[in-house]
Amino acid sequence: DVKVTQSSRYLVKRTGEKVFLECVQDMDHENMFWYRQDPGLGLRLIYFSYDVKMKEKGDIPEGYSVSREKKERFSLILESASTNQTSMYLCASRRARGLPNEKLFFGSGTQLSVL
Amino acid sequence: AQKVTQAQTEISVVEKEDVTLDCVYETRDTTYYLFWYKQPPSGELVFLIRRNSFDEQNEISGRYSWNFQKSTSSFNFTITASQVVDSAVYFCALSTNNAGNMLTFGGGTRLMVKP
Repeated sequence: DVKVTQSSRYLVKRTGEKVFLECVQDMDHENMFWYRQDPGLGLRLIYFSYDVKMKEKGDIPEGYSVSREKKERFSLILESASTNQTSMYLCASRRARGLPNEKLFFGSGTQLSVL
Repeated sequence: AQKVTQAQTEISVVEKEDVTLDCVYETRDTTYYLFWYKQPPSGELVFLIRRNSFDEQNEISGRYSWNFQKSTSSFNFTITASQVVDSAVYFCALSTNNAGNMLTFGGGTRLMVKP
């Protein structure tokens, strides 16, 4: 089974801190994604990566950056955390072959609270 | 632009009742793919089903069934004889070639099944 692992389930940070959210997948998937989930808004795409060292902005990239130095790892960075970034963050991966029919595999999410 | 609407934000039923979760989508593409995901309290979204736009056959899997109707741009999900373990947030999503193969998610429907 594909496994997508997010480093933390819960995280509490202070305003202005630099925050790293890590995601690792073990199925050699080319595509990886970071979503933000807020009540009533569903999942909104922050950034995605087609492959190593490639990244593309999603719908709400402001205040975030990403890094993909290795195929299995995709990191989301909050350069200076703000209270409006308090949210559930979900990482997902997908193989590229067969797009757009391919399903996503998700991690369990990181609930980030910025105080 | 593509859009997915799940008008029901929250549904509460008693165990053994049937329940239908609505999903309405918008896209200008003639080829597209529809998905349903389940998010239990553990947080990880789990893939349930995908349909392509050329296949309007309804599908049944155990207590789950899906009704795809292109004429009304709907892809509704019915759970028959609901159980407490069905309690979760359910997301409908849409993917097309012309949207960069990105998934657009609806806002989600929280289903609560009471014993």
